[in-house]
Amino acid sequence: RKEVEQDPGPFNVPEGATVAFNCTYSNSASQSFFWYRQDCRKEPKLLMSVYSSGNEDGRFTAQLNRASQYISLLIRDSKLSDSATYLCVVISVGGSYIPTFGRGTSLIVHP
Amino acid sequence: EAGVAQSPRYKIIEKRQSVAFWCNPISGHATLYWYQQILGQGPKLLIQFQNNGVVDDSQLPKDRFSAERLKGVDSTLKIQPAKLEDSAVYLCASSSTVFDTQYFGPGTRLTVL
Repeated sequence: RKEVEQDPGPFNVPEGATVAFNCTYSNSASQSFFWYRQDCRKEPKLLMSVYSSGNEDGRFTAQLNRASQYISLLIRDSKLSDSATYLCVVISVGGSYIPTFGRGTSLIVHP
Repeated sequence: EAGVAQSPRYKIIEKRQSVAFWCNPISGHATLYWYQQILGQGPKLLIQFQNNGVVDDSQLPKDRFSAERLKGVDSTLKIQPAKLEDSAVYLCASSSTVFDTQYFGPGTRLTVL
């Protein structure tokens, strides 16, 4: 089993739709969680951190479920500009703190 | 604030040749990462530095890859000799601490023929 798993998609949704992605992790000692956005042929950029209490930034909501070992990202009122790959990152403790990226979930928002 | 700088942006070499990539992190960032990203996959951590010490290099193919971070600032990643399967984007990132946001450079796109 991979340490961090994501459904690669693509998720193809119309503008205005609500879409959710999950990311599961296998290491119960994982400490920190993030969602990054990566546009085609660009570098990843932080979208948001994921806190235990959940957090919201405009149309984006991230949540952590430690019991089931997954994090989620909810995008409301999708825009064309939301089309990108969404990468989850988990930082786990194993002597040191090591980040592991998922393979990413592709989102395509169409008119 | 200046971002993470990487060079070159593109490199084309033949198999068995050598190549080196350079990274200059954000000023003051103690943690520096090198990732390999193959098309359609997420970034794979090759090596992580804390200042000029190696934190993790468990996924670095040490028979052909090497990396150093002299004086805890700039870093270089070298491949010698290159193989076809090394064709990928090599990303450098830095962060203030291991728990903080990673900031990525634009990457170096390597093609091995």
